[in-house]
Amino acid sequence: KNQVEQSPQSLIILEGKNCTLQCNYTVSPFSNLRWYKQDTGRGPVSLTIMTFSENTKSNGRYTATLDADTKQSSLHITASQLSDSASYICVVRDNAGNMLTFGGGTRLMVKP
Amino acid sequence: SAVISQKPSRDICQRGTSLTIQCQVDSQVTMMFWYRQQPGQSLTLIATANQGSEATYESGFVIDKFPISRPNLTFSTLTVSNLSPEDSSIYLCSVEGQRRTGELFFGEGSRLTVL
Repeated sequence: KNQVEQSPQSLIILEGKNCTLQCNYTVSPFSNLRWYKQDTGRGPVSLTIMTFSENTKSNGRYTATLDADTKQSSLHITASQLSDSASYICVVRDNAGNMLTFGGGTRLMVKP
Repeated sequence: SAVISQKPSRDICQRGTSLTIQCQVDSQVTMMFWYRQQPGQSLTLIATANQGSEATYESGFVIDKFPISRPNLTFSTLTVSNLSPEDSSIYLCSVEGQRRTGELFFGEGSRLTVL
């Protein structure tokens, strides 16, 4: 069964600090992995997509990594801002039925 | 990208009643997706709505409880029937972007509370 596990479930950091969110998956065959940011009361918005051949990709202060061998991805947030407070959801697509598997999300709170 | 409008944004309903959620997309799309997000949880796909045919439901979701309409390529409704407190969730409408990347675009969500 395809699964996506995210850790930690929740995280509190001080403004300006860095943090790293983890995503482990068992989805196979793998197509791609997306990180979404979901602000409170809003729908998720895509931050970045990782395909099989990509190891690292940056989008501003967000840097995603992918290790397809160990089936792990991380999302690193640099110099956090109050507006980074949100849920971050890892979503993996398989290459067979084109199905999506959603992680449980990490709820990040950035405090001043 | 796609802009998706959902309404209502939130509602409080009595047990045993029904709620219909509307989803409007600013462009024509083949498939529209309905998700449920229970408190503190991630998203679970309820069904895929295709224009001109019956919706395809995921395991654990049935048409009698979650009837869906898809009258055209830009609009869909999801009804949550015979409400119980366990139906209290956020319901999200979604469409897929370019097939090559498969990015999902979501509406703002409809927060349902059942008393």
